[in-house]
Amino acid sequence: SYVLTQPPSVSVAPGQTARITCGGNNIGSKSVHWYQQKPGQAPVLVVYDDSDRPSGIPERFSGSNSGNTATLTISRVEAGDEADYYCQVWDSSSVVFGGGTKLTVL
Amino acid sequence: QVQLQESGPGLVKPSQTLSLTCTVSGGSISSGDYYWSWIRQHPGKGLEWIGYIYYSGSTYYNPSLKSRVTISVDTSKNQFSLKLSSVTAADTAVYYCARVATRVDFDYWGQGTLVTVSS
Repeated sequence: SYVLTQPPSVSVAPGQTARITCGGNNIGSKSVHWYQQKPGQAPVLVVYDDSDRPSGIPERFSGSNSGNTATLTISRVEAGDEADYYCQVWDSSSVVFGGGTKLTVL
Repeated sequence: QVQLQESGPGLVKPSQTLSLTCTVSGGSISSGDYYWSWIRQHPGKGLEWIGYIYYSGSTYYNPSLKSRVTISVDTSKNQFSLKLSSVTAADTAVYYCARVATRVDFDYWGQGTLVTVSS
């Protein structure tokens, strides 16, 4: 089965740029989606189809995908961005989630 | 604005069947534009996809759960349901229902419901 690998944690100071990676075999050939989950809340879609943003998601959130790595980039990080982030793909009629990355805003 | 709401028992005994329902408002399941899914999250852990269903009844299940899972749809009530049989403590989790958008991304989620498996 397909495996997505995320770093367990990423830390960044306010105002800086956070980059969260999602590794998978030839992931560049798949559509990657990203979710933000704050404690006690349901996940929220922040990027879909590698780099598109749903309405209402700030432009600070962007995505890219190439080769074996997809990346969620959060520019000008704010305290409110502190959350768990999950990548997700569809592979062989199954949905696969990455293990999640905890973003800490220092 | 589409809204999803999970409902069902919060406590299930081991070996019994977990049953949850998701009620959709603000959109019609029978429009055929989307699939509808169940996802769970063990306490303190990541997200695990359970399966999804189309309004016609076509289903796709996580292979690791397939033998115990049944997802069904009731278009007359604009609901879809999850049944998970022979539960153990390892099935204790928050269960979410979600709408599956075009690229198989989940664009609307319910608030989630905690189901505890315990005697």
